[in-house]
Amino acid sequence: EAGVTQFPSHSVIEKGQTVTLRCDPISGHDNLYWYRRVMGKEIKFLLHFVKESKQDESGMPNNRFLAERTGGTYSTLKVQPAELEDSGVYFCASSQAGYGYTFGSGTRLTVV
Amino acid sequence: AQKVTQAQTEISVVEKEDVTLDCVYETRDTTYYLFWYKQPPSGELVFLIRRNSFDEQNEISGRYSWNFQKSTSSFNFTITASQVVDSAVYFCALSEWEYGNKLVFGAGTILRVKS
Repeated sequence: EAGVTQFPSHSVIEKGQTVTLRCDPISGHDNLYWYRRVMGKEIKFLLHFVKESKQDESGMPNNRFLAERTGGTYSTLKVQPAELEDSGVYFCASSQAGYGYTFGSGTRLTVV
Repeated sequence: AQKVTQAQTEISVVEKEDVTLDCVYETRDTTYYLFWYKQPPSGELVFLIRRNSFDEQNEISGRYSWNFQKSTSSFNFTITASQVVDSAVYFCALSEWEYGNKLVFGAGTILRVKS
């Protein structure tokens, strides 16, 4: 089975620009999570979708971040406008029945 | 509160040495899961193990072994006869059913294995 796919793998943008990250979960996985690791710190939870609904978005840092999951399939995470502190690696994970997470390879975002 | 502490920021060993990575967790839930992930230089997160709170048996998988002790809230990871390819960042993580099974990660331990 195909794994979790994220793209782009790398993105370099200027401060103030917009970037959209995409995650394609494993087919049939209802749960989709976004995490990020900033500047070598711990990996932190951003939000959790169950199908197309946001189950928990308590980790979203501010309203510059918008996540969507249309039709309960792929998800996008938009950062608008990007700030320097948004630089980091953004991971997506999917699971079924709440366990057995599979992570994507991550998107490395650099804001300059 | 949920918290995972990996006190070792960085460990350097010489190939063939054994190394133990420590993980201490905090939770108020009785049902939880503990994980270890490996992040090699290529960046992806590689799943190593998942343990539920009701199973305290130690586990061995090849050169890897895990020691789960609820009495000390620890879930330590040992690599026997380390190899250069083991060099990576290792993350311990906790998930609780009550919190939608989202993962709470430790800060990670950088392991450098020198030849």
